[in-house]
Amino acid sequence: DTGVSQDPRHKITKRGQNVTFRCDPISEHNRLYWYRQTLGQGPEFLTYFQNEAQLEKSRLLSDRFSAERPKGSFSTLEIQRTEQGDSAMYLCASSPWTSGGQETQYFGPGTRLLVL
Amino acid sequence: AQKITQTQPGMFVQEKEAVTLDCTYDTSDQSYGLFWYKQPSSGEMIFLIYQGSYDEQNATEGRYSLNFQKARKSANLVISASQLGDSAMYFCAMREAKGGTASKLTFGTGTRLQVTL
Repeated sequence: DTGVSQDPRHKITKRGQNVTFRCDPISEHNRLYWYRQTLGQGPEFLTYFQNEAQLEKSRLLSDRFSAERPKGSFSTLEIQRTEQGDSAMYLCASSPWTSGGQETQYFGPGTRLLVL
Repeated sequence: AQKITQTQPGMFVQEKEAVTLDCTYDTSDQSYGLFWYKQPSSGEMIFLIYQGSYDEQNATEGRYSLNFQKARKSANLVISASQLGDSAMYFCAMREAKGGTASKLTFGTGTRLQVTL
């Protein structure tokens, strides 16, 4: 069983450029999450999907951020007009959510973004 | 107010010894879940152990056990027989039920564990 994969693993970009990250969840996991982790901190929730529906977005997700999961499988996270403050590790997680059950999120290796 | 507090920025433990990593949490929910994750230098968050708020027994997974004290709102991770490969950041996280729709995890700031010979 393959785990959550993310691409690219590292991204260096110049301020003002757009970047897009991809996450492939564990197959048949219906929930997919995006988190952001800055140096010395724990991950912070950005948004999540149940199948293709985006159910919640954090206030951290400014208008420059957009996430999609068009077919309920892989997801993309796009950051437009990047700023130096966007430099962070972007983590994706997936889970096999069922009502009333224990929901464990399994994380990918992350995409490390550096904005120059 | 922080929902998850990890007061130990760094810990050292000798190989083969046991170590306890502290975690306290704050919630008004009756139903919630507590998780511990390990993050090696490679960056991936590895799930270690889960404790549900209604679970009466402390969770155990191999060398990992969770010392759950509900009244004190603490969920400490105990690692027995430490190995060099246990050196990593460890994060405590909580999931609050909130009507069954909010499943996001709230993480603490982590504890860096260093296992020495």
